[in-house]
Amino acid sequence: TQLLEQSPQFLSIQEGENLTVYCNSSSVFSSLQWYRQEPGEGPVLLVTVVTGGEVKKLKRLTFQFGDARKDSSLHITAAQPGDTGLYLCAGARTGGGSNYKLTFGKGTLLTVNP
Amino acid sequence: DTEVTQTPKHLVMGMTNKKSLKCEQHMGHRAMYWYKQKAKKPPELMFVYSYEKLSINESVPSRFSPECPNSSLLNLHLHALQPEDSALYLCASSQGPLAGIPYEQYFGPGTRLTVT
Repeated sequence: TQLLEQSPQFLSIQEGENLTVYCNSSSVFSSLQWYRQEPGEGPVLLVTVVTGGEVKKLKRLTFQFGDARKDSSLHITAAQPGDTGLYLCAGARTGGGSNYKLTFGKGTLLTVNP
Repeated sequence: DTEVTQTPKHLVMGMTNKKSLKCEQHMGHRAMYWYKQKAKKPPELMFVYSYEKLSINESVPSRFSPECPNSSLLNLHLHALQPEDSALYLCASSQGPLAGIPYEQYFGPGTRLTVT
């Protein structure tokens, strides 16, 4: 069974603080996606990382894919209330019956207080 | 354009009703998905259509019946649902997987379903 362990599950911080969310697995993924979801809405794709060691930046968000493609992290600098939401990591494996399935982490519910 | 649209936004139905959820994408994606999501939990895969054919059914009860009329449309027909089926139902689409292209799924805004 492919599992993605995501931590922390809940995070409540003050505006301006930095934070990091982690996704870890014992399985190798061909790519990993990060989504943000607001209440009552669908997940919005933030980034896809494909290459081991890859780092991508999206404004104040920095995403990293581990060298072995088994883990990933999301770092937010100077968090703002607009960053509040459920952050989901999802890993993809290509080949065989796994082709169309994403393995989701359990999510990190982030609250940024003004 | 990475838009997936879903209708209706909200749906309340009784346990004896029949209703349908609709999903549409115009990105030329050949794979479409239905997910069920409970509050503060990750989405759970229900069905996958690839090139308009059902390729994955995650042992979903028969009271949920998917349909893919064409490559842009996906429906989920609902009949005799139970209160525990109340959830956010998400549609998603993707290009592949295709060799050389990162595999990405794009989600719609969801339909909030309440079964009374």
